[in-house]
Amino acid sequence: QVQLVQSGAEVKKPGASVKLSCKASGYTFSNYYIHWVRQAPGQGLEWMGVIDPSGGDTTYAQVFQGTVSMTRETSTTTVYMELSSLRSDDTALYFCARVSAGFDAFDIWGQGTMVIVSS
Amino acid sequence: QSVLTQPPSVSGAPGQRVTISCSGSNSNIGAGFDVHWYQQLPGTAPKLLIYGNDNRPSGVPDRFSGSKSGTSASLAMTGLQAEDEGDYYCQSFDSSLTAHVFGSGTKVNVL
Repeated sequence: QVQLVQSGAEVKKPGASVKLSCKASGYTFSNYYIHWVRQAPGQGLEWMGVIDPSGGDTTYAQVFQGTVSMTRETSTTTVYMELSSLRSDDTALYFCARVSAGFDAFDIWGQGTMVIVSS
Repeated sequence: QSVLTQPPSVSGAPGQRVTISCSGSNSNIGAGFDVHWYQQLPGTAPKLLIYGNDNRPSGVPDRFSGSKSGTSASLAMTGLQAEDEGDYYCQSFDSSLTAHVFGSGTKVNVL
């Protein structure tokens, strides 16, 4: 079935970087954009950016410019999101999500990856 | 502070009807961008509930419906059930921010 499976939880120190993965299966990888959305504990959803798995083009939310990088590996149908210069307020659950065909709605979500930033 | 404003919580008894509002501006909902709604049950990833303002994905009960007018949108839930307890988010695109934006989220309580 169509699914996105994300990598496991991470614990990092302030100032470090973290690279999360999101493996797609059950559909044609290159046909659907993948977005990243995060959710701090007890808070709402925050859009981080998007990658086109076909050509690798990316667009990032302004607040993440300079600290986030999204890449993809077509051979393994995997998308990666790297966040650098981590701070304690980057502690959150990070989701990858696929955009549906024809609409800008996120129709398939990964299970989420918890990132804890603590000294 | 979220670009799209939702009430923090709504409550209703089983079987009742509740609505959740999503208030935006002329750079997002009012500019004609679609509104989508997500349901997030405790401890789970969000699930697409309504897309393109008023469309239900396959498998979503017709108890859920969406509408949009001007700079606002609404999600209506009829025949409220205990399993509907969770958080609900609206989402659209903002041309000023050039970003996808989410509402602040609404917690639905079934009394």
